[in-house]
Amino acid sequence: AQTVTQSQPEMSVQEAETVTLSCTYDTSESDYYLFWYKQPPSRQMILVIRQEAYKQQNATENRFSVNFQKAAKSFSLKISDSQLGDAAMYFCAYRSDPTGANSKLTFGKGITLSVRP
Amino acid sequence: GAGVSQSPRYKVTKRGQDVALRCDPISGHVSLYWYRQALGQGPEFLTYFNYEAQQDKSGLPNDRFSAERPEGSISTLTIQRTEQRDSAMYRCASSLGGIGGQWGNYGYTFGSGTRLTVV
Repeated sequence: AQTVTQSQPEMSVQEAETVTLSCTYDTSESDYYLFWYKQPPSRQMILVIRQEAYKQQNATENRFSVNFQKAAKSFSLKISDSQLGDAAMYFCAYRSDPTGANSKLTFGKGITLSVRP
Repeated sequence: GAGVSQSPRYKVTKRGQDVALRCDPISGHVSLYWYRQALGQGPEFLTYFNYEAQQDKSGLPNDRFSAERPEGSISTLTIQRTEQRDSAMYRCASSLGGIGGQWGNYGYTFGSGTRLTVV
């Protein structure tokens, strides 16, 4: 079974600075998807960024980018120019069998990010 | 609808009572998922449907939990004889993904969840 590990329960960053959130996972599959979700105090689950395992290029979405190291099974999220609205809980998630019928997500425990003004 | 709608938003129930949680997915979304999220934890998979067919219920913790999606749209998660350990946020998500095809291209849209408290 796949597992997702987020070993840092909390992190803090100064506004306008850069922060990196870590995630590792364990799988025997070669093709899969990885995600970062944001959960603000509003309780929404918001997709931040997605990475396909077969793509070597790291995904980027505006201020958010990932460092995907497939051999190391590492998938970290970098937030540049941090804003107060980035304060939230962030979850790393794994999705196996991307072309099949089972598309459930396996989540890590999450990391709480605070942004200092 | 425009988003995934869950009701009720909050539910407080006495131990031993049955509860039914409702999820109304985005119109046209084929796949529907149920997750449970304990405080300070990530969501855990419970079950999912493609259309009205329940494809995987391996995450349901025991036989007190059941789910249905009779017409391939709205889904209900039912917990019978609730216990205090059932207290959690219950989240529903839907996706365009259907049987076969490029599943990975279809992201989830989550609802805001139902916070269940069993007293």
